[in-house]
Amino acid sequence: DGGITQSPKYLFRKEGQNVTLSCEQNLNHDAMYWYRQDPGQGLRLIYYSQIVNDFQKGDIAEGYSVSREKKESFPLTVTSAQKNPTAFYLCASSKLRGSGITDTQYFGPGTRLTVL
Amino acid sequence: QKEVEQDPGPLSVPEGAIVSLNCTYSNSAFQYFMWYRQYSRKGPELLMYTYSSGNKEDGRFTAQVDKSSKYISLFIRDSQPSDSATYLCAMIHTGNQFYFGTGTSLTVIP
Repeated sequence: DGGITQSPKYLFRKEGQNVTLSCEQNLNHDAMYWYRQDPGQGLRLIYYSQIVNDFQKGDIAEGYSVSREKKESFPLTVTSAQKNPTAFYLCASSKLRGSGITDTQYFGPGTRLTVL
Repeated sequence: QKEVEQDPGPLSVPEGAIVSLNCTYSNSAFQYFMWYRQYSRKGPELLMYTYSSGNKEDGRFTAQVDKSSKYISLFIRDSQPSDSATYLCAMIHTGNQFYFGTGTSLTVIP
């Protein structure tokens, strides 16, 4: 059963703590992405990675960090430097075409992070 | 100006109505166009994926792309209460970054 899994579904964090959100895919996709979704603001790109051990900042990378040690996994750490981390976090993945353009993205179920 | 503009709604229609959802974009380099459906507190799921100008149909859903006007639409025929969700348009140009609309919230009333 192929797909993208995210864990946990709900996460609560105290101010000043770092937390790591998990994202795993078994679709053999090359590229993986992290988005943040806030009400009325749509999806905002945090980080993306096209190959193992390489990743690029998106539009709102400050206060976040990622790693890509395996093709299947792209964990996101929300650090204490992120001023307003309460949001819905979505992981996505896509195949890369030979032309260099990515194929469509498929999304995981999301993690809702709440800072107490 | 945003790359992709989408009316956030909310849109409320009676069951059985035809729904029209729209996005406009500013960059003529966009080549691939998608529509996603997102239920509350869930991840977006892909509904339609198109490349060229014209129409693409899948069951009750029709995606329309007009590259000359930089305008894409999603039509839902015979709308059902289960269609109540937020609909996101998305597009890609050369390169690997996606551009998303902010989403339109749709409610289909039984």
